[in-house]
Amino acid sequence: QVQLVQSGAEVKKPGASVKVSCKASGYTFTSYGISWVRQAPGQGLEWMGWISAYNGNTNYAQKLQGRVTMTTDTSTSTAYMELRSLRSDDTAVYYCAREGGGYGDFDYWGQGTLVTVSS
Amino acid sequence: QSVLTQPPSVSAAPGQKVTISCSGSSSNIGNNYVSWYQQLPGTAPKLLIYDNNKRPSGIPDRFSGSKSGTSATLGITGLQTGDEADYYCGTWDSSRGVFGTGTKVTVL
Repeated sequence: QVQLVQSGAEVKKPGASVKVSCKASGYTFTSYGISWVRQAPGQGLEWMGWISAYNGNTNYAQKLQGRVTMTTDTSTSTAYMELRSLRSDDTAVYYCAREGGGYGDFDYWGQGTLVTVSS
Repeated sequence: QSVLTQPPSVSAAPGQKVTISCSGSSSNIGNNYVSWYQQLPGTAPKLLIYDNNKRPSGIPDRFSGSKSGTSATLGITGLQTGDEADYYCGTWDSSRGVFGTGTKVTVL
């Protein structure tokens, strides 16, 4: 069965960087893209960007351009999301989500990784 | 911040029906497919509807989706206590993903 398993919770200071991993199993990793979505406490879902697991092409949300980098390691079927120059409003649960078989949906999600930014 | 507008909350008694609207524009819903997600408290979102009105395997037919112009609607019939959750619509806008503001469904 398809599974996306994310790395554990992180606590970072303002200005630091965080790198969250998302290990995929149960399907051919390079056949589906991965999006990253975050959710601040008590808030809605925010799309952060997408990476093709086939060729590494990326597409980032405009507000995060320059601070976010998404990569994949096809040898371990793992996707990564790195966010730099962290601010307090980056405190959120970060999810990876696999692109679905339809047009633009996300059919499988990781369990989420809480990133807390605090001095 | 979100470009897709949903009502903050809807409620109904068990067994009744609720509908959740998702309003956008020609640059997003008007020219792209819509998906819907259910987020139970403390869990990751779960795909309920994709391509406007299709259900993934395992999703009961109590859940339905539709789209007309720049708006989409999620319907839930035979409401159950286990349906209490937050619901989000999603689509794309200028090649970037967008989600609705979210709707909390309460079963009275």
